[in-house]
Amino acid sequence: GENVEQHPSTLSVQEGDSAVIKCTYSDSASNYFPWYKQELGKGPQLIIDIRSNVGEKKDQRIAVTLNKTAKHFSLHITETQPEDSAVYFCAASKNDYKLSFGAGTTVTVRA
Amino acid sequence: KAGVTQTPRYLIKTRGQQVTLSCSPISGHRSVSWYQQTPGQGLQFLFEYFSETQRNKGNFPGRFSGRQFSNSRSEMNVSTLELGDSALYLCASSLEGAPGANVLTFGAGSRLTVL
Repeated sequence: GENVEQHPSTLSVQEGDSAVIKCTYSDSASNYFPWYKQELGKGPQLIIDIRSNVGEKKDQRIAVTLNKTAKHFSLHITETQPEDSAVYFCAASKNDYKLSFGAGTTVTVRA
Repeated sequence: KAGVTQTPRYLIKTRGQQVTLSCSPISGHRSVSWYQQTPGQGLQFLFEYFSETQRNKGNFPGRFSGRQFSNSRSEMNVSTLELGDSALYLCASSLEGAPGANVLTFGAGSRLTVL
């Protein structure tokens, strides 16, 4: 089955700096790569996703890049704010429903 | 528009008991997926239902089962509970659109503690 590795497991950044989280996947047939943000006591919330026919996607301060050849994708958060503090999960899938998740990255934004 | 609603939010059971968790998807969403979240194993896919039929299944023992009703609401059941079943059980719904265009929206989860 699909195996998704996510790094780093924890990330502490100064407010205003950028944060980068990287994921690799094993199944070359995977074609859907969402990123979720989970705050304490809540379920994961989709923040951005990318399909395999696109190399990069941006939404305000958040961007995701995908390298299909190397089988890795990354989340970039610019101008970080305290409300960006949360656990972030990457995932990969061959269909829209059965997601294989990374282990998560706990992001702390220091004021 | 109401989000994905899961009940109960918290529950405590003892080993050997069984438990039923409920999920009401976003209005109009016809696909419901279930995931188990634990500190050790992370988020793992349990199963996915569409039109009252299980379409996808993860690698969990037969003690874990689910069903979907005609109104798209879904339940999952865990029988003969074990300590390792303690977890946050997450339900996600999706609008059944064209393949490659569906996005999962998660509920807040049901936190199960097995004593």
